[in-house]
Amino acid sequence: NAGVTQTPKFRVLKTGQSMTLLCAQDMNHEYMYWYRQDPGMGLRLIHYSVGEGTTAKGEVPDGYNVSRLKKQNFLLGLESAAPSQTSVYFCASSTPKGGWAGEQFFGPGTRLTVL
Amino acid sequence: QQQVKQSPQSLIVQKGGISIINCAYENTAFDYFPWYQQFPGKGPALLIAIRPDVSEKKEGRFTISFNKSAKQFSLHIMDSQPGDSATYFCAASMGGAQKLVFGQGTRLTINP
Repeated sequence: NAGVTQTPKFRVLKTGQSMTLLCAQDMNHEYMYWYRQDPGMGLRLIHYSVGEGTTAKGEVPDGYNVSRLKKQNFLLGLESAAPSQTSVYFCASSTPKGGWAGEQFFGPGTRLTVL
Repeated sequence: QQQVKQSPQSLIVQKGGISIINCAYENTAFDYFPWYQQFPGKGPALLIAIRPDVSEKKEGRFTISFNKSAKQFSLHIMDSQPGDSATYFCAASMGGAQKLVFGQGTRLTINP
């Protein structure tokens, strides 16, 4: 049981390049989330999904797109990377229990640098 | 707009002492208040959480105190140990999807 895994662990991009971050969970969780972590700002929600085929915007969605084609995977895309997107990206998943979304389990993170 | 404000940014406590981290929130619709612990190079992990219908929750050396009228909640770590050295985040959420809003984080150092 690997929990939540993220690929890649590190990446360096040039401004304008595109890339996709992959999140996978093996806990059969319904909900998945993408956050970014910046110094002094905590974690901020980018996009989230409450089920396969559904996505919704979070607090800071601009410049990112997501897809949830399979229940176990949640992809985060950067179409044209900008230096402001330099950050550590975390994926999380949870499953509803008793009317609420349940504990969120986080992956190990992807450190992205945009030059 | 920061809906959850956390203080202090950093904290140094002697081994065996009490560590206290405070958070304040603005949105009275929040109905879930978790604390996360993060070690360097790792993702956050849930430490303890509370709902607004209780004023205190204790799990081992960790206690959340919750003041609904003041819109504040705090984490107390009793008998702090060097292994507790980490960054701690408070958070709040509401609604079915439980979208977490995080505080800025507190870097806690426990000196041996």
